Amino acid sequence: DQQVKQNSPSLSVQEGRISILNCDYTNSMFDYFLWYKKYPAEGPTFLISISSIKDKNEDGRFTVFLNKSAKHLSLHIVPSQPGDSAVYFCAATRSSGGYQKVTFGIGTKLQVIP
Amino acid sequence: KAGVTQTPRYLIKTRGQQVTLSCSPISGHRSVSWYQQTPGQGLQFLFEYFSETQRNKGNFPGRFSGRQFSNSRSEMNVSTLELGDSALYLCASSLGWVYEQFFGPGTRLTVL
Repeated sequence: DQQVKQNSPSLSVQEGRISILNCDYTNSMFDYFLWYKKYPAEGPTFLISISSIKDKNEDGRFTVFLNKSAKHLSLHIVPSQPGDSAVYFCAATRSSGGYQKVTFGIGTKLQVIP
Repeated sequence: KAGVTQTPRYLIKTRGQQVTLSCSPISGHRSVSWYQQTPGQGLQFLFEYFSETQRNKGNFPGRFSGRQFSNSRSEMNVSTLELGDSALYLCASSLGWVYEQFFGPGTRLTVL
């Protein structure tokens, strides 16, 4: 049961344009949503997060939008740079028994073309 | 501050063998989680240890086990390896909150 879905396996964007990565979820009990970026031969690195009580969080070129009614979140990268080329994982957490459980999506590979 | 380290980085085993992977967390981090990454499944949670106790477990068979030592270093063991166990195994550490995890580079396991 894929509770966190990233339906686009890959995305290509021109340098300087906006990259939009999408993520859908099914569990309304998720309380935090996170985005991670992963380069080849490296572990994922945390990028940005958003609480379920917010609808937007911004950090420099990265903005995450949360639409709870649609159970959808998106990561916007503006402007996109070649160094942003990586696999992006969406993740969601929920509290259970005093600790958190995290569920990851399968990732979207972003290619930013110079 | 040194990051999360995992050893070995690459490993080749044959079916039926067992393997032990090691993870050294960031100094001061007491939580260590393990994940399996495969192309079609993304990152799948294996288990989490906090202060030497397993406090969270994913949906993997009993062939997958782990432990954590008093210095927070953790090991993951897979017994009776199957071809489908070929994957990148990632370890992540945190002070306690899963959304503050720092990942290691992973161990690439190939089962022949």
